[in-house]
Amino acid sequence: KAGVTQTPRYLIKTRGQQVTLSCSPISGHRSVSWYQQTPGQGLQFLFEYFSETQRNKGNFPGRFSGRQFSNSRSEMNVSTLELGDSALYLCASRQGLGELFFGEGSRLTVL
Amino acid sequence: SQQGEEDPQALSIQEGENATMNCSYKTSINNLQWYRQNSGRGLVHLILIRSNEREKHSGRLRVTLDTSKKSSSLLITASRAADTASYFCATDPNQAGTALIFGKGTTLSVSS
Repeated sequence: KAGVTQTPRYLIKTRGQQVTLSCSPISGHRSVSWYQQTPGQGLQFLFEYFSETQRNKGNFPGRFSGRQFSNSRSEMNVSTLELGDSALYLCASRQGLGELFFGEGSRLTVL
Repeated sequence: SQQGEEDPQALSIQEGENATMNCSYKTSINNLQWYRQNSGRGLVHLILIRSNEREKHSGRLRVTLDTSKKSSSLLITASRAADTASYFCATDPNQAGTALIFGKGTTLSVSS
């Protein structure tokens, strides 16, 4: 079974631009969660999608948004990028209330 | 905001020694999970312990859970250099549909 796939793995943007990150969950997993990881704040929960509906949302500004498609693939978008958005963005999928399966992450650098 | 807080933040030991990491949390939980992360990579699930369990083993890993103290510990026995990584506890709150909340992690360095 293929694992969680995130694309792109690395990207560099400049302030004010926007970025879209993609996540393909493990086949059969309907829940997809997104986390932001930075050295200072650790792993911060962004949002969780289940069957195309946002089920939970973390404490992030409206510039951060996401969606999930009917095939469970998910995208997250960050608009009007700021330097502080530089981070490793991790996607994870799961079945039910069990363990999370993480992708390798998308490392975003904002210049 | 973090639900779990790991202690210590960093731990350096020699190969063959045991490593113990602790996690404290604030609210009631369904389960508590431990994850491992190699530098700059995704997290890998290690072990899940349910709120009605007190101890669980998996290979060289031993996890304990004390719900009265809202704390958990992860013990890695006979550490190897390959165990060098960051370890995170994650709590699954006792509320339907709530997301896993991670602590800031313990960075373990095992030298040969």
